[in-house]
Amino acid sequence: KAGVTQTPRYLIKTRGQQVTLSCSPISGHRSVSWYQQTPGQGLQFLFEYFSETQRNKGNFPGRFSGRQFSNSRSEMNVSTLELGDSALYLCASSLVRDREQFFGPGTRLTVL
Amino acid sequence: GENVEQHPSTLSVQEGDSAVIKCTYSDSASNYFPWYKQELGKRPQLIIDIRSNVGEKKDQRIAVTLNKTAKHFSLHITETQPEDSAVYFCAASLPGANSKLTFGKGITLSVRP
Repeated sequence: KAGVTQTPRYLIKTRGQQVTLSCSPISGHRSVSWYQQTPGQGLQFLFEYFSETQRNKGNFPGRFSGRQFSNSRSEMNVSTLELGDSALYLCASSLVRDREQFFGPGTRLTVL
Repeated sequence: GENVEQHPSTLSVQEGDSAVIKCTYSDSASNYFPWYKQELGKRPQLIIDIRSNVGEKKDQRIAVTLNKTAKHFSLHITETQPEDSAVYFCAASLPGANSKLTFGKGITLSVRP
């Protein structure tokens, strides 16, 4: 079974721009969660989607948004980028909620 | 919401020794506790998990123990090897509608050959 994939793997943007990241879960997995990883802060939860509905949201500003499609693929969008948004963005999928999560390789976002 | 803390933040052990990594959580309703290992430049991977109805779980050289009264859980690695060197994250999850993984900040384990 193919693992979780994320595109693009690397992105360089400038302040004020917006960006869209994509995540394709493992086939059959319906839950997709997004995390921001920065040095010293660990993995911080952004949001979770299940069956095209946002089920939970972390403590991030409204500039961070996401969606899930009927095939369970998910996208997250960050508008009006700030320098502090530079991070590794990881998505993870699971068969159902509250079960083992499988992570993708991440998208490394650099904001200049 | 849930808060997860890991101690210590770095740990160095001699190859062959045991390593113990502790985590504490704040919400007594949390019922799922996974541990993830992240090697340099790679994605986090689940190495072991435990649910609140179990006190201990083992998988070869790795074990996890859970103390619900004290609200802490620990990862035990025996006979450490250089390939165990990585960042280890613990996490806790509440059940039901609030289900989401709250991660600790990670601990860097170094195994000296």
